[in-house]
Amino acid sequence: AQSVTQLDSQVPVFEEAPVELRCNYSSSVSVYLFWYVQYPNQGLQLLLKYLSGSTLVKGINGFEAEFNKSQTSFHLRKPSVHISDTAEYFCAVSDGMNTGFQKLVFGTGTRLLVSP
Amino acid sequence: EPEVTQTPSHQVTQMGQEVILRCVPISNHLYFYWYRQILGQKVEFLVSFYNNEISEKSEIFDDQFSVERPDGSNFTLKIRSTKLEDSAMYFCASTSRGGPGEQYFGPGTRLTVT
Repeated sequence: AQSVTQLDSQVPVFEEAPVELRCNYSSSVSVYLFWYVQYPNQGLQLLLKYLSGSTLVKGINGFEAEFNKSQTSFHLRKPSVHISDTAEYFCAVSDGMNTGFQKLVFGTGTRLLVSP
Repeated sequence: EPEVTQTPSHQVTQMGQEVILRCVPISNHLYFYWYRQILGQKVEFLVSFYNNEISEKSEIFDDQFSVERPDGSNFTLKIRSTKLEDSAMYFCASTSRGGPGEQYFGPGTRLTVT
């Protein structure tokens, strides 16, 4: 079984500052990794995903994440945040050995609060 | 851009009542999921559905829950006799294929059981 830990429930940051949202996972098999974002009153939107290949993954809105197998981490980063990045961010994992259904196992989420 | 829609956005019901949460997945998608998020907790997988059959369900998805695709567009989650602990945000998701395809999520239905 997989699990995901997002240690930071809330991350306050000033506009144009860099940010890192941390995600660690545990799994006995290979995994696929995802970051989703949820804006107020909206559904979950995929930011980026790691399936295989390059460990540095670039996503939408200037976000990127790096897969680190030895540290079982998939931290999300952005070099300069905007007010509009204020949202809830969810890290998720699915079974990398399964070619059929891909249920997602989510972390508890990190609320990114960007202030002027 | 196609999107997953869910109705209602908020449902209030009394304990013991039946509720049906509705989802309209993206039209060419074939794989469907329900997740829920109790306030302040993780988003949790409930059930996956393909070709009019449940393919996997979690231990949360007990006999009080059922899913159905009554026509070519809707995908519903029914809770037969709601409990207080069923209060949560329920998300529907769909994908066009199996494997690690992007799951497109709806905006959710907030269910409040009183």
